[in-house]
Amino acid sequence: SAVISQKPSRDICQRGTSLTIQCQVDSQVTMMFWYRQQPGQSLTLIATANQGSEATYESGFVIDKFPISRPNLTFSTLTVSNMSPEDSSIYLCSATSDGYTFGSGTRLTVV
Amino acid sequence: SQQGEEDPQALSIQEGENATMNCSYKTSINNLQWYRQNSGRGLVHLILIRSNEREKHSGRLRVTLDTSKKSSSLLITASRAADTASYFCATDASGGYNKLIFGAGTRLAVHP
Repeated sequence: SAVISQKPSRDICQRGTSLTIQCQVDSQVTMMFWYRQQPGQSLTLIATANQGSEATYESGFVIDKFPISRPNLTFSTLTVSNMSPEDSSIYLCSATSDGYTFGSGTRLTVV
Repeated sequence: SQQGEEDPQALSIQEGENATMNCSYKTSINNLQWYRQNSGRGLVHLILIRSNEREKHSGRLRVTLDTSKKSSSLLITASRAADTASYFCATDASGGYNKLIFGAGTRLAVHP
């Protein structure tokens, strides 16, 4: 399976600011996925990111709040924009390549 | 929105006992997977069972799948304190996009 490097691993941010999370895959993958895990909850899919096209967002998530880039087959970023304390969560990226692989997550705290 | 529901939400057992967690889902699937997560850290993939399989084993883990009831169970035998974690089922629905929809999870506590 592919290996994903995700960073930052954690951050504390001021409300109203934005944070960009990066995921680098060690092999080419067609699709990458971004998930949010709110405190004590399960994972919720934010969007699917294809290379060369706009991301597909799940219900309840919009591009203005969570813009995603997918410039090539090994890299993707998720930006959490205009943050509020409700955005405090763990954000994880994922890819499928001969199996399912997840990044180690970004623990975001908004103060 | 999440597709699956898991029960129990929390399970507390003694070392050596077996732990059974159940997962239900709503739509047709390609496969169902179980993951473990320790204290909000990264996910560890445990086992994948395809829609045409009914049972699968991996070490102390046994997974069953009943597509007619849209349900799955994860059995951990002879549990250890190190098994303490949250366990999630996740379904890869038909459609070929490989996105996973996660269940609510079961918090397992194994006491020495």
